[in-house]
Amino acid sequence: ETGVTQTPRHLVMGMTNKKSLKCEQHLGHNAMYWYKQSAKKPLELMFVYNFKEQTENNSVPSRFSPECPNSSHLFLHLHTLQPEDSALYLCASSQETGYWGAFFGQGTRLTVV
Amino acid sequence: GIQVEQSPPDLILQEGANSTLRCNFSDSVNNLQWFHQNPWGQLINLFYIPSGTKQNGRLSATTVATERYSLLYISSSQTTDSGVYFCAATNQAGTALIFGKGTTLSVSS
Repeated sequence: ETGVTQTPRHLVMGMTNKKSLKCEQHLGHNAMYWYKQSAKKPLELMFVYNFKEQTENNSVPSRFSPECPNSSHLFLHLHTLQPEDSALYLCASSQETGYWGAFFGQGTRLTVV
Repeated sequence: GIQVEQSPPDLILQEGANSTLRCNFSDSVNNLQWFHQNPWGQLINLFYIPSGTKQNGRLSATTVATERYSLLYISSSQTTDSGVYFCAATNQAGTALIFGKGTTLSVSS
């Protein structure tokens, strides 16, 4: 248990569906991140939020839409995804955006059919 | 930009063996860290080690920043050590944590 909780753990969705991934941390951290982990590839940074403000969007397609209503919660809204978007989506948090002592959630295994 | 390269890509050990994992990084980095991802996908932060040596039980890590490499030592390996070990570092602006491709470790009893 790292203090970062992601739900759901597994998700299967069709290409026309809309779904959301949720991440929650109660570590008092100010920075939260979304990463994508595909098979045989390094973890790819998607979004960075610092004090609820988005500070980094790593050229992510608009079918992925992040939302950070407060420093403890982070969402990733999904719509009209493609099969190649199937991956493990990991949320992380750290005290500041320097990534020192980053904690990761257990991830959401997403399958797009 | 920063590149993080890990070796070996795969490692198979018998329980009780020792191993050394290596991470080379291409430019000045900050916040060099080692993570372990278990078979269920959970990433655990093992060490924050921008320089020097740290030890935690059977694991230890050494970073020689001037020579741009870091080593993770696993002694007396156990089956629970299996998983993927990642090295990661931030760019100088601190805006991105760049991961290597990982070393997949399999420890058999």
